[in-house]
Amino acid sequence: DIQMTQSPSSLSASVGDRVTITCRASQGISNYLAWFQQKPGQAPKSLIYAASSLQSGVPSKFSGSGSGTDFTLTISSLQPEDFATYYCHHYYSYPLTFGGGTKVEIK
Amino acid sequence: EVQLVESGGGLVQPGGSLRLSCAASGFSFSDHYMDWVRQAPGRGLEWVGRTRNKANSYTTEYAASVKGRFTISRDESKNSVYLQMNSLKTEDTAVYYCALAVPAASRYYMDVWGKGTTVTVSS
Repeated sequence: DIQMTQSPSSLSASVGDRVTITCRASQGISNYLAWFQQKPGQAPKSLIYAASSLQSGVPSKFSGSGSGTDFTLTISSLQPEDFATYYCHHYYSYPLTFGGGTKVEIK
Repeated sequence: EVQLVESGGGLVQPGGSLRLSCAASGFSFSDHYMDWVRQAPGRGLEWVGRTRNKANSYTTEYAASVKGRFTISRDESKNSVYLQMNSLKTEDTAVYYCALAVPAASRYYMDVWGKGTTVTVSS
């Protein structure tokens, strides 16, 4: 199975900060990587697919990059509505797996 | 607009069975892959299984943790996908989500998610 390791597991940031979350796959997954945002009590929401393609309707402050084993999600200017938990997810092969999540909290 | 509505969750004893449903609308149901994903209380996301589209004979894949106990099926006439859960264990307690998987290059990723239904396995 391909393991997805996210870091950090949590972070504190202020409104307006630039935030970067990293995700590492235990083996190469090309660009078959997605990012999801989940707020408390809500279902996950798709942000990015194919490592860097922005989902329709998602603001351009979110961006993704990477290929192979190392990936990043960047939020260019953190806003109050962005405080949530973020998950990376590979869909390269079965079983599909998720990273452990990164909780973004208000400083 | 794509909508996915899960139902069928509840309280069940260890060793029992439960069938979850996911009613889909707003897209061509038979053309798309569908996933089930779960989230235990206070934990992260865990993929449970997938059913491919009609062109791929609705074949299925499962996580090792549920293989042999859970079965995914579909009913075209009702635009619904189901998760039959047997031999339930306390560690199956979770919110269960269904998700629409769409193609990107040669793979399928989870695009739209339902709101989830809660399953509690406890005596």
